[in-house]
Amino acid sequence: AQSVTQPDIHITVSEGASLELRCNYSYGATPYLFWYVQSPGQGLQLLLKYFSGDTLVQGIKGFEAEFKRSQSSFNLRKPSVHWSDAAEYFCAVALIRGAGTALIFGKGTTLSVSS
Amino acid sequence: EAGVTQSPTHLIKTRGQQATLRCSPISGHTSVYWYQQALGLGLQFLLWYDEGEERNRGNFPPRFSGRQFPNYSSELNVNALELEDSALYLCASGDGTPSSGANVLTFGAGSRLTVL
Repeated sequence: AQSVTQPDIHITVSEGASLELRCNYSYGATPYLFWYVQSPGQGLQLLLKYFSGDTLVQGIKGFEAEFKRSQSSFNLRKPSVHWSDAAEYFCAVALIRGAGTALIFGKGTTLSVSS
Repeated sequence: EAGVTQSPTHLIKTRGQQATLRCSPISGHTSVYWYQQALGLGLQFLLWYDEGEERNRGNFPPRFSGRQFPNYSSELNVNALELEDSALYLCASGDGTPSSGANVLTFGAGSRLTVL
């Protein structure tokens, strides 16, 4: 069955330090991959997506992610974290069903930023 | 452009009652997805509507149901509420076309349901 694993439940990073959030997926076909961010009490905001092509994708707020098929990974990175980046981050894979898709999400990684 | 709107923001019910949650998609989007975000369980796919039809449902009992109206807005109904139904219910609409293969989902802020 398709699944998404985010191994880190909670990560704390110092402001200005680099960040990498891990995501591994299990999916038989070429995946469509996404990263979303959720601030407390809010809905989910799309950070970036990978459909095909260049395996390094750029997103909003200075985030990027790299698709590595050999490792079934889609890790999210940011070179310098800001206090406003503190939130919960979700990796997701799209299941293609006919003419549309449903997203399967990982359990999420909570990012705390220390000063 | 207005985003995905959900109402109510908060809803408090007691066990056994029914809850109705509403969602308006982004203008032009025909697909609506419902997700449940319960504490400790992450985001779980509930239902997907497209062009007024239920296209797929997740692993939830039949007391979770819904519909999509001709204007593509959607309703999620939860009957015979149980304590474990307390969660944030997120609605999303999709911007894809059948040929593109994948919708990019835009989420609303959610409706927080509390069952006492």
